[in-house]
Amino acid sequence: AQSVTQLGSHVSVSEGALVLLRCNYSSSVPPYLFWYVQYPNQGLQLLLKYTSAATLVKGINGFEAEFKKSETSFHLTKPSAHMSDAAEYFCAVSDHSAGGFKTIFGAGTRLFVKA
Amino acid sequence: NAGVMQNPRHLVRRRGQEARLRCSPMKGHSHVYWYRQLPEEGLKFMVYLQKENIIDESGMPKERFSAEFPKEGPSILRIQQVVRGDSAAYFCASSPPRPAEDTQYFGPGTRLTVL
Repeated sequence: AQSVTQLGSHVSVSEGALVLLRCNYSSSVPPYLFWYVQYPNQGLQLLLKYTSAATLVKGINGFEAEFKKSETSFHLTKPSAHMSDAAEYFCAVSDHSAGGFKTIFGAGTRLFVKA
Repeated sequence: NAGVMQNPRHLVRRRGQEARLRCSPMKGHSHVYWYRQLPEEGLKFMVYLQKENIIDESGMPKERFSAEFPKEGPSILRIQQVVRGDSAAYFCASSPPRPAEDTQYFGPGTRLTVL
């Protein structure tokens, strides 16, 4: 069964610094992978997704993620953090084991951005 | 094109009462998914429905919880005899009949508080 592990429940960076949020996945088939962002008391917004095309995926708000099959990783990065990036970030993988598909989410990483 | 709509956005119930959560998928979408997010946790899959069919309910608690997606009208997640542990945010997502690359579109969620 597919699963996702996010390393670090909380990450704190200074404004302008590199953002790196780590995600490792487990999948028996080539996966579809996603990063979502959730602002307080809101729903989930899709940041980017990997669907077996280019291994470096660019998303919204300056975020990107690189699929590394050898490391089973899909880490999310942004070169320069902005205060507005403070939110909860979820890595996810799609699971087709039950005749349809569902999304399996990691536990989330809360990003804090310091002025 | 309106996004996924959920109502109510906030719901307060006393222990033992029933909670009904509604989800209207995006126009043209015939697949609906329900997820639950407990405080400080990621989203957990509950159930996947197509019109008039439950495809995968592997994440649904065995008792008190039920879901439907009738031919006409919104999808309903019903929780009978609510308990304090049911307090959570419940998110609905939808996808088109042939979901492209497993993309789901999420609603803003219903936050259930059980007193």
